[in-house]
This record gives sequence, C-alpha cells and structure tokens, in this order.
Amino acid sequence: GQNIDQPTEMTATEGAIVQINCTYQTSGFNGLFWYQQHAGEAPTFLSYNVLDGLEEKGRFSSFLSRSKGYSYLLLKELQMKDSASYLCAVTGFQKLVFGTGTRLLVSP
Amino acid sequence: KAGVTQTPRYLIKTRGQQVTLSCSPISGHRSVSWYQQTPGQGLQFLFEYFSETQRNKGNFPGRFSGRQFSNSRSEMNVSTLELGDSALYLCASSLENLQETQYFGPGTRLLVL
Repeated sequence: GQNIDQPTEMTATEGAIVQINCTYQTSGFNGLFWYQQHAGEAPTFLSYNVLDGLEEKGRFSSFLSRSKGYSYLLLKELQMKDSASYLCAVTGFQKLVFGTGTRLLVSP
Repeated sequence: KAGVTQTPRYLIKTRGQQVTLSCSPISGHRSVSWYQQTPGQGLQFLFEYFSETQRNKGNFPGRFSGRQFSNSRSEMNVSTLELGDSALYLCASSLENLQETQYFGPGTRLLVL
C-alpha cells in the first residue's frame, strides 16, 4: 500500500521562506509530484522529482530523498497569491496517490 | 490548446439515483484519470483510462465506473448514489500515463441529498 503524510496547515508571512514536508511509504515508487490548488480551483503542476536532490524553478524548489521516503517543497519570497493548498503525490505501480494536502496561509 | 473541460460543473442528486459526468481531455492526450476530492480524504484516485481501456483502478466500490471513447473523451458513472458520494470529481489528462504531469479540469461538484 501507499501512505503519504503532510502537515495539515501552515502559516507564514509575506516575503518569508516556507518549507512544506512530505513523507511517504510506498510499495513501488517512480516519482513524486507537487501540485498547487487554490480554493475552488483545479490543482496545477509545480514539480516532479524522480531522482534524489533539489530541483529549482524560480521561487519554488523541490527536494527528494528516495532512501528516506521524504520530499519537501520550498517556497521563497512568499506572496499573498501563494496562499493555497499544496498537494504531494507519489506515482508507482501505475497508480497516483495524493496526500491530503497542506493548506498554506500567507499573511501580510 | 484548450484545457481539460468537465461537464456539468454542478449537480444535485438524491440518494439512490445515478449520475454521469463527462470529461474532455487536452487535444492529443490519451490518458484520462478520475479523482474524488473531499475535505476529509483529500484527492483519491478512482481510475485511469487509456485507448478506451481501464488501465488502473483505485479502491472504490463497483458503483463507480467509467469509460473512454475513441476520441479520448471519458465519462464516469456513479450508480445508487449515497450521501457520502458528495464531493468534487476531478478529471485529469496526460499524454500517455500517470508518470507524466497531470492537467486537471475544473471539476464537477456533486451534492447528494
């Protein structure tokens, strides 16, 4: 089976840096996605990690450690529009399993 | 390219009824997957279709079924609706499989009374 854990909610202030963690236990693993979902909207793709290490894409970076079953999403220079849910998802054995998501609240 | 579209956007049904939801993927995408999203459970995988065949299935009862047409459009059907089926149903498409970026539609919000 597959189990994915993320914190339920996090708060941060505008301009700060926040790290959202995701731990997973899977019987098969191909890669790990991060999606962003604003309230009332569809999830949109942020990143996909297959190999260990850090992938940087503008203000967002994602890290993966396959041996530890651990990933994080790093958001820098937070903006109000970053207030959203962040979903970690693991793909393997032809399934895509999502965590319950981390709701990030960015305050002025 | 147009994005993933889903119809209808909102539905109200009563217990025992059945419902059919429709999804049109991005042009050229052949993999279509369906998800149920609820506040308590998050996003849960229902099934994936590719070339008109169900390729993968999540842990949902047989009341949940689907199909895919030759133009890759997909439908999802839920029979004998229960109150717990109230949720946002999301469809996503990708070129070939679940290991690629999934592009989500806006969803159909189903309320079962």
